[in-house]
Amino acid sequence: SQQGEEDPQALSIQEGENATMNCSYKTSINNLQWYRQNSGRGLVHLILIRSNEREKHSGRLRVTLDTSKKSSSLLITASRAADTASYFCATDSNSGYSTLTFGKGTMLLVSP
Amino acid sequence: GAGVSQTPSNKVTEKGKYVELRCDPISGHTALYWYRQSLGQGPEFLIYFQGTGAADDSGLPNDRFFAVRPEGSVSTLKIQRTERGDSAVYLCASSLQPISYNEQFFGPGTRLTVL
Repeated sequence: SQQGEEDPQALSIQEGENATMNCSYKTSINNLQWYRQNSGRGLVHLILIRSNEREKHSGRLRVTLDTSKKSSSLLITASRAADTASYFCATDSNSGYSTLTFGKGTMLLVSP
Repeated sequence: GAGVSQTPSNKVTEKGKYVELRCDPISGHTALYWYRQSLGQGPEFLIYFQGTGAADDSGLPNDRFFAVRPEGSVSTLKIQRTERGDSAVYLCASSLQPISYNEQFFGPGTRLTVL
């Protein structure tokens, strides 16, 4: 079963605009990760935020985590056409092991 | 160094046949994971190895699916009596240790099509 649920399912923006994607989950977690996937193949790790963190930055990426609401958001600033991809949030099992549970993803299209 | 590699990149087979999918993890990574991704969905966990042993196989859908990692490096996912519903992209990932804050590095996947 999939724990994370991203929204929107699809997002279409122009280059230079910001893109915000949200993720909700159901059970307690140790950390939440965001991955990117191009063309339905391999996933690339973007950023990990631990359950005791509220916000984290990496380049043009900003991730927030609200454990009371069991939700996270990924913000991509000043988007580029190369950011076009699917974005997934993934949560761990809170067992200490790192098997991940992914959401269905948000498909982002950035038009030049 | 090289990333996670998977072979073949594409596999087309007929219903009822047996298939093997191979994963070469990053050298030195002790943890190896198999996921399956259906069209329009996120990856779903299948099985996880710590070294040579399967530490968690709770995601395997049924006993037609089996995976091995005999020497603690390369892993093979085996599917017997394939069904059309097995069609998906099978992803392999490895991490240095099976600790939840360790990043998982994914391979490009094997796209399995069962006709």
